[in-house]
Amino acid sequence: KAGVTQTPRYLIKTRGQQVTLSCSPISGHRSVSWYQQTPGQGLQFLFEYFSETQRNKGNFPGRFSGRQFSNSRSEMNVSTLELGDSALYLCASSPRDRGFAGYTFGSGTRLTVV
Amino acid sequence: QQQVKQSPQSLIVQKGGISIINCAYENTAFDYFPWYQQFPGKGPALLIAIRPDVSEKKEGRFTISFNKSAKQFSLHIMDSQPGDSATYFCAVDSGAGSYQLTFGKGTKLSVIP
Repeated sequence: KAGVTQTPRYLIKTRGQQVTLSCSPISGHRSVSWYQQTPGQGLQFLFEYFSETQRNKGNFPGRFSGRQFSNSRSEMNVSTLELGDSALYLCASSPRDRGFAGYTFGSGTRLTVV
Repeated sequence: QQQVKQSPQSLIVQKGGISIINCAYENTAFDYFPWYQQFPGKGPALLIAIRPDVSEKKEGRFTISFNKSAKQFSLHIMDSQPGDSATYFCAVDSGAGSYQLTFGKGTKLSVIP
């Protein structure tokens, strides 16, 4: 059973550019969440999608956006990149509609902004 | 607003010893209390989780102890092994309506032979 796949694994971008990260959840999982991981702030929730609808959004500026497609694949976009956006971006999928079923994380995309 | 406080930041345990990591939370509206394990270059992996109506849950060498009145929960790793060396995160799950995990800052565990 394939896990959560995130592409690309590594990215280097320049300040002011924008970036799109991709996530393919486990087959059958309809919930996809995104988290930012940094040494200083730890793991922080970005947003969660279920059946193409954003159900919750974390405390991040509007430069961070996402979407989910009908096949449950998800993308997140960061516009006007800042140095502080350098982080590991993690995608997690879950089969749940309600209740705790556990989140399966991908290995992440390491974004470096220079 | 830090809802989950995790301690210690780092922990060194000898092989065969017991590793104990603690977390305290500030809100009562949480449905599940999971622990995640993360190795370098990998995403966090669910280790074990507990519901608030249970005081203890054991899976193999890993045990969660939960104290609802104190708003604290802890992870115990019995017979710690070098392969357990990783970063451990506690989290709280707000359940339906929130759909997010709030994580502690993590504990880096090193198990020395």
